[in-house]
Amino acid sequence: GAGVSQSPRYKVAKRGRDVALRCDSISGHVTLYWYRQTLGQGSEVLTYSQSDAQRDKSGRPSGRFSAERPERSVSTLKIQRTEQGDSAVYLCASSLVSRDRGPYEQYFGPGTRLTVT
Amino acid sequence: GENVEQHPSTLSVQEGDSAVIKCTYSDSASNYFPWYKQELGKRPQLIIDIRSNVGEKKDQRIAVTLNKTAKHFSLHITETQPEDSAVYFCAVSKGNNDMRFGAGTRLTVKP
Repeated sequence: GAGVSQSPRYKVAKRGRDVALRCDSISGHVTLYWYRQTLGQGSEVLTYSQSDAQRDKSGRPSGRFSAERPERSVSTLKIQRTEQGDSAVYLCASSLVSRDRGPYEQYFGPGTRLTVT
Repeated sequence: GENVEQHPSTLSVQEGDSAVIKCTYSDSASNYFPWYKQELGKRPQLIIDIRSNVGEKKDQRIAVTLNKTAKHFSLHITETQPEDSAVYFCAVSKGNNDMRFGAGTRLTVKP
């Protein structure tokens, strides 16, 4: 079946503007993570969104970064008031299990390259 | 928080030789250690992973070893081929599944 997809693949934004990046995960996967990948530096999770059978849970906002879950298999990463330091590749990854069930394989999308000018 | 260091940052080997990439971590509670391969312009793909209750895992030409006491784990690729050329990332995770990645190693296998 289809894997994780992201759109757009490339995004140019002016400093100070808000941007939204989309991730379509694998059907049935519960947790979607957002990572920022910067060349030569380690990547770490920015935020996540999780859904279960009953309801969607909002991802924990981390400063200017937040994740929303408009649909079960869709997550949107919102970056407010972009800064030049936000220029990076943003990867989303989905996991079959909920975050509190412990480490499990994550499947990555191809990434969105964001350039803030 | 967790600190993951990966070495070397670049590695060049001759086809057929072995390649070893090492990662160290700081949080002794970490219990899941995956390795991802990312080819240029493509998504990271899991190639092998190990959990803290295992010391070594092998899958054909790829193996991972874990030293929990020393808090380091290594990726071993034997009989390297040109198609092994990519950037390899180690990652560390624990109960909450939030992964922290190393900075990556660019492996070049020369034919």
